[in-house]
Amino acid sequence: AQSVSQHNHHVILSEAASLELGCNYSYGGTVNLFWYVQYPGQHLQLLLKYFSGDPLVKGIKGFEAEFIKSKFSFNLRKPSVQWSDTAEYFCAVRKNAGNMLTFGGGTRLMVKP
Amino acid sequence: DTGVSQDPRHKITKRGQNVTFRCDPISEHNRLYWYRQTLGQGPEFLTYFQNEAQLEKSRLLSDRFSAERPKGSFSTLEIQRTEQGDSAMYLCASSLGWDEQFFGPGTRLTVL
Repeated sequence: AQSVSQHNHHVILSEAASLELGCNYSYGGTVNLFWYVQYPGQHLQLLLKYFSGDPLVKGIKGFEAEFIKSKFSFNLRKPSVQWSDTAEYFCAVRKNAGNMLTFGGGTRLMVKP
Repeated sequence: DTGVSQDPRHKITKRGQNVTFRCDPISEHNRLYWYRQTLGQGPEFLTYFQNEAQLEKSRLLSDRFSAERPKGSFSTLEIQRTEQGDSAMYLCASSLGWDEQFFGPGTRLTVL
């Protein structure tokens, strides 16, 4: 069965710091990759997705992620975080042409003003 | 708001009672998914519909759980004889084909 690991459970940063959240998955076949964000009191929203093509994917709000197939990784990055980025971030994987998403355990990000 | 909606948003019940949740997907979406999320964890897949057909069920979905999508639009998730371990956030998502899944706000179930 596929699994997704997010190594950082809690991250605290100051505004303007750079962010990188790790995501690794264990599935050898072709995958679709997603990062979702959940702001306090809100529902899950898609930040970005990778299906194929350029492994560097740009999403909303200045976020980007890089798919490194050899490392089974899909790390999320943002060069300069803002207080409004405080949220929980979930990496998710889906087998290509599959149905279910397999989520990591989430990373809770707190950005101090 | 034309997103995914779920009702109720919160449900408190006593152990042994039956509960039913409703999900209304985005109107043109043909696929509908149910997930369960417990505190400190990511969502876990429960089941999936394409139109009215339930095509996949997780082993997490015990015999006490049943889901329907009778007309290929809204869906219901029923839990019979609830147990304390059923306490969780139940999330519904919908998609158009294999595109991204849009999530609803969830129904938080507390079993006393």
